[in-house]
Amino acid sequence: AQTVTQSQPEMSVQEAETVTLSCTYDTSESNYYLFWYKQPPSRQMILVIRQEAYKQQNATENRFSVNFQKAAKSFSLKISDSQLGDTAMYFCAFMKRRSGGSNYKLTFGKGTLLTVNP
Amino acid sequence: EPEVTQTPSHQVTQMGQEVILRCVPISNHLYFYWYRQILGQKVEFLVSFYNNEISEKSEIFDDQFSVERPDGSNFTLKIRSTKLEDSAMYFCASNPQAGEKLFFGSGTQLSVL
Repeated sequence: AQTVTQSQPEMSVQEAETVTLSCTYDTSESNYYLFWYKQPPSRQMILVIRQEAYKQQNATENRFSVNFQKAAKSFSLKISDSQLGDTAMYFCAFMKRRSGGSNYKLTFGKGTLLTVNP
Repeated sequence: EPEVTQTPSHQVTQMGQEVILRCVPISNHLYFYWYRQILGQKVEFLVSFYNNEISEKSEIFDDQFSVERPDGSNFTLKIRSTKLEDSAMYFCASNPQAGEKLFFGSGTQLSVL
């Protein structure tokens, strides 16, 4: 079974600064996907970024980027130029890759509550 | 961007009652899911559904739970006899292909009294 660990229950950052959220995972799979989801106070789940494990290049989406270290099973999220609207719970998630047929579930970490201070 | 729609947004029920949570996934998506989140805790997988059958379910998804896709658009989660510990936010999600991002609905907050 896969496990996802987020070791930072809470973090805070000043507006316009950079912050990195940590995530590690445990799996015996070689093909999989990793995700970061954001959950603001509205509790909507919003995809931030997605990484395919077979790609060595780190995914980026505007101010959001990841540091994917496959050998270390680490998948951290860097938020640059933090904005007040980035205040949210951030969940790291893992999905096995399956060829054809049905899909695999997302396994979530416990989340990191990020507060961006003005 | 297309959305997954969930109704109702809030549901209050008495312990032992049946509830049905409704979801309309995005129209061209093939994979459907239910997740739940007890307040302050992580999001937990309940069940996945593909090709008109359950493809995977968690240990939470016991005989009290069932899912159905009664027509081409709706995807429902039924809890037959609710318990206090079923109180949670229930999220429906869908995606078009394996490995693609899951689109989540805005959730149904279920309160069992």
